[in-house]
Amino acid sequence: DGGITQSPKYLFRKEGQNVTLSCEQNLNHDAMYWYRQDPGQGLRLIYYSQIVNDFQKGDIAEGYSVSREKKESFPLTVTSAQKNPTAFYLCASSSGGTLLTYEQYFGPGTRLTVT
Amino acid sequence: GQQVMQIPQYQHVQEGEDFTTYCNSSTTLSNIQWYKQRPGGHPVFLIQLVKSGEVKKQKRLTFQFGEAKKNSSLHITATQTTDVGTYFCAAANYGGSQGNLIFGKGTKLSVKP
Repeated sequence: DGGITQSPKYLFRKEGQNVTLSCEQNLNHDAMYWYRQDPGQGLRLIYYSQIVNDFQKGDIAEGYSVSREKKESFPLTVTSAQKNPTAFYLCASSSGGTLLTYEQYFGPGTRLTVT
Repeated sequence: GQQVMQIPQYQHVQEGEDFTTYCNSSTTLSNIQWYKQRPGGHPVFLIQLVKSGEVKKQKRLTFQFGEAKKNSSLHITATQTTDVGTYFCAAANYGGSQGNLIFGKGTKLSVKP
């Protein structure tokens, strides 16, 4: 939505498997983010990247990995080490900035179910 | 670390009633943003407040930033069923890299027609 695509919308995996969620943006934004949303928990930051080839851990990075090889793409891998991977995953981007925090644009999300 | 507390967690109103959600921080905020997430959807940016005491309006929505820049509110006048969703506040986290946001847990609004 609004220049950010996430695929697939729904994803089902068996426990013990790694799975990669796709996030692509054509907004020419420098910054990209991954959030996890659970009922009643709001949005929790997993990883973020302010520039290509650089990324930082968020509040709940354990069991996840990311890469930022291209400006447009920020894939998230949910590894088998993540204890409770079933959740709604949201990718976002912003134009970034040095003094002000710019608004974030969110993708439509991927709902991951692990059984 | 920095946190933003948002209350109430849920609010049920009759259509036509007003609604307010509050966002509070123990630390001074540089700015605050508000987002709306419709059921089954993704968060959408509503507004950003930067100045102390700032008040901004969008039709029936009124956003305020406290004088001390530690709290903010979103008020909806005469709610409609289209207002249903979860409203989040988010504040810049300058403890980490710039551009990172800390989200409140949201207020889920339901409107009975």
